[in-house]
Amino acid sequence: AQSVTQPDIHITVSEGASLELRCNYSYGATPYLFWYVQSPGQGLQLLLKYFSGDTLVQGIKGFEAEFKRSQSSFNLRKPSVHWSDAAEYFCAVGARDTDKLIFGTGTRLQVFP
Amino acid sequence: KAGVTQTPRYLIKTRGQQVTLSCSPISGHRSVSWYQQTPGQGLQFLFEYFSETQRNKGNFPGRFSGRQFSNSRSEMNVSTLELGDSALYLCASSLTGQGSYEQYFGPGTRLTVT
Repeated sequence: AQSVTQPDIHITVSEGASLELRCNYSYGATPYLFWYVQSPGQGLQLLLKYFSGDTLVQGIKGFEAEFKRSQSSFNLRKPSVHWSDAAEYFCAVGARDTDKLIFGTGTRLQVFP
Repeated sequence: KAGVTQTPRYLIKTRGQQVTLSCSPISGHRSVSWYQQTPGQGLQFLFEYFSETQRNKGNFPGRFSGRQFSNSRSEMNVSTLELGDSALYLCASSLTGQGSYEQYFGPGTRLTVT
């Protein structure tokens, strides 16, 4: 069965520090992988996606993620966090020919000045 | 271009009642998906519609139903509401319903069941 695991429920970092949010997936075929961000009271915004090709993908707001098939991981990174990055981050897995997404439980990011 | 709109934004209902939520996709988008978000269960897939046809359905009881109209607008209905149906209901639209196209999410409808 398809599943996504985000092992970190809550992460706190200082502004300017680097960030890595972990995501592991279980999927039988080549997955489509996504990272979304949700600010309080808002819907979800796509940060980046991976379908195939270069395993390091760049997204909006300075985020990047690396697909590692051997580790079934798709971790999100940012070299320097800004206070405005405080939000909840969701990793998701999808597939071709469908918009159905399986989401992880999310990681809440808190940023201290 | 206007984003995905959901109405109403907030709703309070009583157990046993039924509710209808509406989603208007981005103009030109033909695929609409619905998700339920709760603190306990997280984001769970409800339905996916493409060109008025339900393509996928999540693991929810039959009290949850939906439909899509010819203009791609979608509605979901929950009958015989239970306290556990209190959640943020999100809809998303995409151009073609193929997983490679970006989905755009609406702000959600916050349903409270008392």
